[in-house]
Amino acid sequence: DQQVKQNSPSLSVQEGRISILNCDYTNSMFDYFLWYKKYPAEGPTFLISISSIKDKNEDGRFTVFLNKSAKHLSLHIVPSQPGDSAVYFCAASESNTEYGNKLVFGAGTILRVKS
Amino acid sequence: DAGITQSPRYKITETGRQVTLMCHQTWSHSYMFWYRQDLGHGLRLIYYSAAADITDKGEVPDGYVVSRSKTENFPLTLESATRSQTSVYFCASSGVAGVAGELFFGEGSRLTVL
Repeated sequence: DQQVKQNSPSLSVQEGRISILNCDYTNSMFDYFLWYKKYPAEGPTFLISISSIKDKNEDGRFTVFLNKSAKHLSLHIVPSQPGDSAVYFCAASESNTEYGNKLVFGAGTILRVKS
Repeated sequence: DAGITQSPRYKITETGRQVTLMCHQTWSHSYMFWYRQDLGHGLRLIYYSAAADITDKGEVPDGYVVSRSKTENFPLTLESATRSQTSVYFCASSGVAGVAGELFFGEGSRLTVL
């Protein structure tokens, strides 16, 4: 049973428009959420995170929104650029445990930004 | 250069063979992790370690063995490889002790089991 779900395997967006990637989780003990970006033949790299005490975190073109009641988070990329084309993984953890950095990942969403 | 490195990057082996994937990090991070990436499953945790000589099973540990005799190394061994273990394997590390934080990943080892 997947605890972190990314239900859209792929997303295609025009350059300059907004990209919205979605993620749902089922474990109510998760209280820290991260997004990773992955290019082909490379390892995932950290993009942005959010704690459950917040509902929004922004870093440049990237904003993550958290809706705890719906157990849903989303990543907004504005404006989208061709270099944003990659696989995006949503991840979650229980921060107040011995292994608070043990992440549970979703299946990933392939983002294609068309120029 | 400081960082986390994996070797080999690519490996083809046959069913039943033993394979070891190496992971080395130069940050002296306490925590290290092995994940496998498969289509439709994302990244699944195989094993993790909090320090030298402390390891624990993740979500999909069957068929794998790990060791951590030194803080900087965390090898993953497939004792008798099976086709279902064909995957891309990622090692990761974190210096954060006991609280949530980002993981730093290696570039991956693509393993094909024939």
